[in-house]
Amino acid sequence: DAKTTQPNSMESNEEEPVHLPCNHSTISGTDYIHWYRQLPSQGPEYVIHGLTSNVNNRMASLAIAEDRKSSTLILHRATLRDAAVYYCILREDFGNEKLTFGTGTRLTIIP
Amino acid sequence: EAQVTQNPRYLITVTGKKLTVTCSQNMNHEYMSWYRQDPGLGLRQIYYSMNVEVTDKGDVPEGYKVSRKEKRNFPLILESPSPNQTSLYFCASSFSEASGDTEAFFGQGTRLTVV
Repeated sequence: DAKTTQPNSMESNEEEPVHLPCNHSTISGTDYIHWYRQLPSQGPEYVIHGLTSNVNNRMASLAIAEDRKSSTLILHRATLRDAAVYYCILREDFGNEKLTFGTGTRLTIIP
Repeated sequence: EAQVTQNPRYLITVTGKKLTVTCSQNMNHEYMSWYRQDPGLGLRQIYYSMNVEVTDKGDVPEGYKVSRKEKRNFPLILESPSPNQTSLYFCASSFSEASGDTEAFFGQGTRLTVV
């Protein structure tokens, strides 16, 4: 499985944008880039995913580098409820669709 | 509401006493899987199922069994639990038509303690 690298932790002020980086230099052409987050005492929650183009949804935006070797999850206006561990995951487009979770980035929001 | 439901949420049991953790989804998903989460090791896949009667091992299947007799249910069975199976367990489901292009839904988790 392709590997992703994320910072262990980040802090951000409430109501400011947050940019969470992810490196995936060994990504293959068929791997989708997924982001999930896990709030305390809860199961992982889907945030966003994409293949090549930047993506937006109600929760966040995903910016994908042109060579696809890195991506950035953007939370446009962080709230205290966004404090969680964020996982960047490459998901294959065939076979076992398992999600290979790394250690993720623990995001702390400062009031 | 689309959801994956696991039961029980918390379970304390003794070594060797068979137990089943149930998982049910209401989204007609083909793909279902079980993960365990341990400190420092992240989430690791135990078993997965691509559809009814189709199951296969994930990364850490030893000591676990699964079955998929109905599309909506995917129970995790521990025939003879041991203390090293103390963990937080998550069930997940998703559509399979375009596997990489679909989101996965996770249950709320089952915290299992084996003494």
